[in-house]
Amino acid sequence: ILNVEQSPQSLHVQEGDSTNFTCSFPSSNFYALHWYRWETAKSPEALFVMTLNGDEKKKGRISATLNTKEGYSYLYIKGSQPEDSATYLCAFYGGSQGNLIFGKGTKLSVKP
Amino acid sequence: DVKVTQSSRYLVKRTGEKVFLECVQDMDHENMFWYRQDPGLGLRLIYFSYDVKMKEKGDIPEGYSVSREKKERFSLILESASTNQTSMYLCASSRLGKNIQYFGAGTRLSVL
Repeated sequence: ILNVEQSPQSLHVQEGDSTNFTCSFPSSNFYALHWYRWETAKSPEALFVMTLNGDEKKKGRISATLNTKEGYSYLYIKGSQPEDSATYLCAFYGGSQGNLIFGKGTKLSVKP
Repeated sequence: DVKVTQSSRYLVKRTGEKVFLECVQDMDHENMFWYRQDPGLGLRLIYFSYDVKMKEKGDIPEGYSVSREKKERFSLILESASTNQTSMYLCASSRLGKNIQYFGAGTRLSVL
């Protein structure tokens, strides 16, 4: 059974703090690692799709890194804002007609 | 922009009722998915479909069935709703060969 773990489960930070959280996944049969942001009352939206070991992607204040050999990815948010409050999901894709396997998410709350 | 529309945001049904959750996507995607999301459990795949009239069981198909008569529409059916099916249900779609998924806003179903 393939397992995708995210930590921490929840995080409370002050506006302006930088934060990061972790996604760990199987290091074998790796094809892609996704990050999604799910704001309350909205649809989950893809932030990044990462495929190469050592990959680093950036979108504004949010960035992600990928280590496929050891099976982890970090998501960083620089200078958190209240609008960053959301649940951040990572999902592992092993290819070969498999489906996305989601972690349980990290719920981020940013206080003004 | 890809749009995935779920017919209801909130639904309240009684135990034993037959329930239909509808999902429509407007980007001609081949793949469609139904997930449920429960606190502490993350997104779990119920059923998916790679083509019209085609369906595959996900991780938790018991108590559910699906229908895909047209490419753009994927319906989730609860033949006889039970209280343990109270949950948030999310529909998603993706293009064949591309694993990034686009989600609807979810249907929060309460079975009383």
